Amino acid sequence: KNQVEQSPQSLIILEGKNCTLQCNYTVSPFSNLRWYKQDTGRGPVSLTIMTFSENTKSNGRYTATLDADTKQSSLHITASQLSDSASYICVVSALGDSWGKLQFGAGTQVVVTP
Amino acid sequence: DGGITQSPKYLFRKEGQNVTLSCEQNLNHDAMYWYRQDPGQGLRLIYYSQIVNDFQKGDIAEGYSVSREKKESFPLTVTSAQKNPTAFYLCASSQGIGAAFFGQGTRLTVV
Repeated sequence: KNQVEQSPQSLIILEGKNCTLQCNYTVSPFSNLRWYKQDTGRGPVSLTIMTFSENTKSNGRYTATLDADTKQSSLHITASQLSDSASYICVVSALGDSWGKLQFGAGTQVVVTP
Repeated sequence: DGGITQSPKYLFRKEGQNVTLSCEQNLNHDAMYWYRQDPGQGLRLIYYSQIVNDFQKGDIAEGYSVSREKKESFPLTVTSAQKNPTAFYLCASSQGIGAAFFGQGTRLTVV
């Protein structure tokens, strides 16, 4: 069973609107959580990385939150643009694990329409 | 510019054929990784290497092979033993536990 679950699987939003993506995980003991953006047919690009002590981190119009107690994270996109259309992937690692042991979510496909 | 280069972008394989996907990085990263991406699934680790001349199997290594003779290169061979090789393949590199950098991917199709 996947230890990282993302929701929704996909969503469509109007340009200029906000949206929030969810990531729930069971990875333990927790080390860090990353959000990546992947354009169609391209490699993922890092948006944010958060450790246990951080509960929010921003990267431009992207804001990630983390609740390590409930093992939940969210990625909020503000004032969406057409270029935000992509898959957003949540990645979680456990303490002591090398990068080879990361757990990947299946991603949320976001489509921004004019 | 520093980064990871995967080639080719598209690759077609005939039944029973071995094919090799190239991955080169000029970031001076010690660790390199190969992932497979299928629709609706998270990335799955095929092989990874944390140092030259050493590599480890990931979760789905069967039917694949790698080598790490140089720090900057980590080629992946998809052998005829891999029964369902059609997928998007991603190479990545990292230094320590920092964010990994991904290549642009190779889409492999069996014809």
